[in-house]
Amino acid sequence: DVKVTQSSRYLVKRTGEKVFLECVQDMDHENMFWYRQDPGLGLRLIYFSYDVKMKEKGDIPEGYSVSREKKERFSLILESASTNQTSMYLCASSSTALKETQYFGPGTRLLVL
Amino acid sequence: GNSVTQMEGPVTLSEEAFLTINCTYTATGYPSLFWYVQYPGEGLQLLLKATKADDKGSNKGFEATYRKETTSFHLEKGSVQVSDSAVYFCALSTGANNLFFGTGTRLTVIP
Repeated sequence: DVKVTQSSRYLVKRTGEKVFLECVQDMDHENMFWYRQDPGLGLRLIYFSYDVKMKEKGDIPEGYSVSREKKERFSLILESASTNQTSMYLCASSSTALKETQYFGPGTRLLVL
Repeated sequence: GNSVTQMEGPVTLSEEAFLTINCTYTATGYPSLFWYVQYPGEGLQLLLKATKADDKGSNKGFEATYRKETTSFHLEKGSVQVSDSAVYFCALSTGANNLFFGTGTRLTVIP
């Protein structure tokens, strides 16, 4: 069964902290994505990666960075968390062969105080 | 550019009622269209898709038809169940690696 896991379901951080969100997929997928989900705004793409060490900016990359050192792992980094980054963060992956079908993790709900 | 507009909701229906959630799109080229569903406490999962005009996607009693003339991909189900309560997202892909999502529609089905 396909699986995308995220390191935490809930996180509480303080303004200015560095935050790491980890995502691991076990499907050998080439493509991985980070979205944030906010009420009334749907899903917005932050960054995606189509290969190890490769990354592309999505629609809202400001304030975020990513790391993909291994194929199965894609990390989202908030260098200095701010209250407007309080959100639900969703990781997804897809294969290049079937790139239009994305598999999602359960999400990390981040609260920045 | 590429965008998806869907019915905002929330939608509340009684069990066995008919469901329609509207979705229209704007896209360059010939997109593929999707419905994803997010059950409470879970990530999104693909519900159905259609890759070309007049295709009908179907799964779990849900259907949606790709209508190029009206740029629409409305989701329908003839008889909803309590277990269908979820948030439904319409999305499109133009062949690149990423998807464009609508804002989501929350459906609540009451017994």
